[in-house]
Amino acid sequence: GQQVQQSPASLVLQEGENAELQCNFSTSLNSMQWFYQRPEGSLVSLFYNPSGTKQSGRLTSTTVIKERRSSLHISSSQITDSGTYLCAARGSALGRLHFGAGTQLIVIP
Amino acid sequence: DMKVTQMPRYLIKRMGENVLLECGQDMSHETMYWYRQDPGLGLQLIYISYDVDSNSEGDIPKGYRVSRKKREHFSLILDSAKTNQTSVYFCASSYRNTEVFFGKGTRLTVV
Repeated sequence: GQQVQQSPASLVLQEGENAELQCNFSTSLNSMQWFYQRPEGSLVSLFYNPSGTKQSGRLTSTTVIKERRSSLHISSSQITDSGTYLCAARGSALGRLHFGAGTQLIVIP
Repeated sequence: DMKVTQMPRYLIKRMGENVLLECGQDMSHETMYWYRQDPGLGLQLIYISYDVDSNSEGDIPKGYRVSRKKREHFSLILDSAKTNQTSVYFCASSYRNTEVFFGKGTRLTVV
């Protein structure tokens, strides 16, 4: 089965609303990382977060390894937050990243 | 400024032509990756390189080969490109099993 599962698949927010994106991963994976894919396609690393909570501006990532989950919280969303958010976890063997299918976020005025 | 640079950004090739995608990084990362991204399929690993001349197949290596002769440079080669290799190709690098940094991608169209 799929090793990294993201939810929701898509989300529409009004500007100013908050969002919580979820990522669940299998027991063989760890070292969670969150990416933002801009509408033009480039991938930006938001957080490398193997465990615990990290914050950067309006973004907060929390990873709970024991529960095999990670979340990305976006507060006070802005139109420029629109795009696709991807989570990825690394398997211990060979070091490859396993990606979730992504959450497509649309923020409207 | 930490950077993964991909060249070219856009490329159109005819079926049967050879394709060379180049990737460089300025972080002295020993691990580098090539992924492709297609609608509905997400990011798929083509090859991973653990250092110079130490390359391993990913999940979809068929039709591709790679070259890593310098730590900062990793090339993806398509010998006799096929139309089903039309995709967006991403190069990435990391220091061991830590944070992965991606380039901006190369959009390849094979006609």
